[in-house]
Amino acid sequence: GAVVSQHPSWVICKSGTSVKIECRSLDFQATTMFWYRQFPKQSLMLMATSNEGSKATYEQGVEKDKFLINHASLTLSTLTVTSAHPEDSSFYICSARYGGSSNQPQHFGDGTRLSIL
Amino acid sequence: QQQVKQSPQSLIVQKGGISIINCAYENTAFDYFPWYQQFPGKGPALLIAIRPDVSEKKEGRFTISFNKSAKQFSLHIMDSQPGDSATYFCAAVYSGNTPLVFGKGTRLSVIA
Repeated sequence: GAVVSQHPSWVICKSGTSVKIECRSLDFQATTMFWYRQFPKQSLMLMATSNEGSKATYEQGVEKDKFLINHASLTLSTLTVTSAHPEDSSFYICSARYGGSSNQPQHFGDGTRLSIL
Repeated sequence: QQQVKQSPQSLIVQKGGISIINCAYENTAFDYFPWYQQFPGKGPALLIAIRPDVSEKKEGRFTISFNKSAKQFSLHIMDSQPGDSATYFCAAVYSGNTPLVFGKGTRLSVIA
């Protein structure tokens, strides 16, 4: 159980285009979803936290107009990288949690490798 | 300020040996401490977790030891196998709808 599906797993696109990444919780309702960015050989960097039906809360230094997050349902959250540039190339990982207790673990998707040419 | 400090950064262990990864935290409000395993190109997968009212938790070859007074916890991998070669992250979280705070990770290589 507790499967989080992320799509696409890999995307290459030209500079200036927008890219949408989907994150779905397949067998549980995700009260909260988190989006992370990971650079090679580094830890996960939290970008934003989103609760279903509410606006996402962005971490300091993350441009909310650049990284649009939508959490429209309890099983789906999307991250749209708008007008992507080469410096946005990275590994993006979503995570989902059921409930508001710290006891509920965060489950992660398999990530999306984004390459901007 | 790094709230969860993890060491070592990298670790090489012989097959069959014991791998030990240590973490220390500062925020006493943390009340849940999971460990995640990440293979290259994949997302982190929950390995094992512990709450501070327990000093040790074992699941198969994986054991968490927790020292509340020292604010430290560690992961022990017994009988380490080449398939255990991955990056391991300790994490901590406190009550409420807050995100995990991750350590910087340990790259484990188990050699035959």
